[in-house]
Amino acid sequence: RKEVEQDPGPFNVPEGATVAFNCTYSNSASQSFFWYRQDCRKEPKLLMSVYSSGNEDGRFTAQLNRASQYISLLIRDSKLSDSATYLCVVNIRDTGRRALTFGSGTRLQVQP
Amino acid sequence: ETGVTQSPTHLIKTRGQQVTLRCSSQSGHNTVSWYQQALGQGPQFIFQYYREEENGRGNFPPRFSGLQFPNYSSELNVNALELDDSALYLCASSAGTGEAKNIQYFGAGTRLSVL
Repeated sequence: RKEVEQDPGPFNVPEGATVAFNCTYSNSASQSFFWYRQDCRKEPKLLMSVYSSGNEDGRFTAQLNRASQYISLLIRDSKLSDSATYLCVVNIRDTGRRALTFGSGTRLQVQP
Repeated sequence: ETGVTQSPTHLIKTRGQQVTLRCSSQSGHNTVSWYQQALGQGPQFIFQYYREEENGRGNFPPRFSGLQFPNYSSELNVNALELDDSALYLCASSAGTGEAKNIQYFGAGTRLSVL
């Protein structure tokens, strides 16, 4: 079983739609959580950190449920420029390993 | 831009050859992590360097090795290249302490093709 699991998509949505991505993680030692965005053939870029209390950045809202080991990202009023792959990322502080563990990504295509 | 630079941007090698990839971290960052991203997959952690010492390693064989220099730049070396080593290799830098160390900033990557 993968440590971070995401629906690969693609999610094809019209401009202006609201879309939600979900992610589950298996390691209860996970302590930090992030969403990264990756455009085709580019590097991942930090979209937002995710906190237990939930956090919002403009049209983007992230939620964390530690009990269910579940992370979500909600995008409101989708723009064409939101088309990308969204990577769910956790930081697992096991001994000797302080690195990010990535899901395989969920592809979003926003259509005119 | 993140201030993390990688070279070269593209590289073609043949099986059995050796390759060295380079990374300059963002100013003020003393931690560098390397990741391998195969097509259609998320990045996979190779190893991390903090103040010139290896600080954790993922599930990669010993033919993947690295260095970090006093200026915190880093190299990834891969010996005896295999076809499956074809991937995008990403370097990420972060500050070494506090919550900031969990935020990693990526370079544009080196795309390696092994023929």
